[in-house]
Amino acid sequence: EAQVTQNPRYLITVTGKKLTVTCSQNMNHEYMSWYRQDPGLGLRQIYYSMNVEVTDKGDVPEGYKVSRKEKRNFPLILESPSPNQTSLYFCASSLVRGEKLFFGSGTQLSVL
Amino acid sequence: GESVGLHLPTLSVQEGDNSIINCAYSNSASDYFIWYKQESGKGPQFIIDIRSNMDKRQGQRVTVLLNKTVKHLSLQIAATQPGDSAVYFCAENGNNFNKFYFGSGTKLNVKP
Repeated sequence: EAQVTQNPRYLITVTGKKLTVTCSQNMNHEYMSWYRQDPGLGLRQIYYSMNVEVTDKGDVPEGYKVSRKEKRNFPLILESPSPNQTSLYFCASSLVRGEKLFFGSGTQLSVL
Repeated sequence: GESVGLHLPTLSVQEGDNSIINCAYSNSASDYFIWYKQESGKGPQFIIDIRSNMDKRQGQRVTVLLNKTVKHLSLQIAATQPGDSAVYFCAENGNNFNKFYFGSGTKLNVKP
């Protein structure tokens, strides 16, 4: 089944403890992106990647890192999480940039 | 910045009726628009898309209308069913192929 898989689905952590949210797609998509979803603010782009080893900042990149070493994987790294990073995170991919996005099921992160 | 707005945050309809969800966009350079459906606890799911060279596009029970003159997009759902209850987002690409701009969503409640 074609899908975008994120893990974990739920994560509770404490301020400053590094964490990684994994994202993998099995559709051979070139483009991948991370969004966060907050009430009243909608979906905001954190980082995106147009292909392997090509990444760039979105609208809200502060406090996040990404890497794209393989085409299928695009992990989101929070080096030192803070409470304002408590949010619902979505990974998405598309065949190429500018085409419709396919989303993962989301990761609900709580930073205490 | 980009602005994608929705006219109604919540829409309640009777099962079997038609639903119309509206969306306004601000960037006249936008040439690609998408409607997504997000059910509780899930990621956004692609419903239908339309490019700016079209005014109307139909899918199964759904129709998207695009009025470029007033920068307005609508999603029509025919014979609304309980399974249609969800939050619906519109998205536009603005003039940036690296991201989509999402509205904050309209919650559709289908009453039996």
